[in-house]
Amino acid sequence: DGGITQSPKYLFRKEGQNVTLSCEQNLNHDAMYWYRQDPGQGLRLIYYSQIVNDFQKGDIAEGYSVSREKKESFPLTVTSAQKNPTAFYLCASTRQANTGELFFGEGSRLTVL
Amino acid sequence: SQQGEEDPQALSIQEGENATMNCSYKTSINNLQWYRQNSGRGLVHLILIRSNEREKHSGRLRVTLDTSKKSSSLLITASRAADTASYFCATDALGNNDMRFGAGTRLTVKP
Repeated sequence: DGGITQSPKYLFRKEGQNVTLSCEQNLNHDAMYWYRQDPGQGLRLIYYSQIVNDFQKGDIAEGYSVSREKKESFPLTVTSAQKNPTAFYLCASTRQANTGELFFGEGSRLTVL
Repeated sequence: SQQGEEDPQALSIQEGENATMNCSYKTSINNLQWYRQNSGRGLVHLILIRSNEREKHSGRLRVTLDTSKKSSSLLITASRAADTASYFCATDALGNNDMRFGAGTRLTVKP
């Protein structure tokens, strides 16, 4: 079945460590997005990518980095520079930007100890 | 910055009643979409309405769009306990290729 897969579902990190969240899709979508969600809040855009080897910062990119070396994959690294990384992270994809619905993964919950 | 703002923040109704949620946004848009999120899960797309459309239906869902007021509403008719979830509106502004979400409305449908 086609879909978008995030891993791991739960992740614990010590302060000062970088962590990478995986996002893979087999929907042949060009555009991919990373969002952050805090408890009881909406989604805030971290980074997005419209095409391989290209990505743009969203509203809260500081302390995060991404890569888009393959169409199927858009990993997010939460660096030690992110001051408050504990959150729920959601990855999404769509066929082309501005053309329709986003397909979401099930999310990764990161907790900093 | 978040483009959309939903109200109310929380809504509690009895099964069988209708639920109406509103969304306001700031800039001109291409499309407006509504999504649903069960607690701790990813979002699921419900309906998309284009900027040149005024109303759209899908099953028990009815969405309206007023571009002059920069607002949209989502109506869920004959609600069920399984409709309990958070509902978000999302917009893609003209000239942009990103998608921004509001803070959401938390709907509770009591059996």
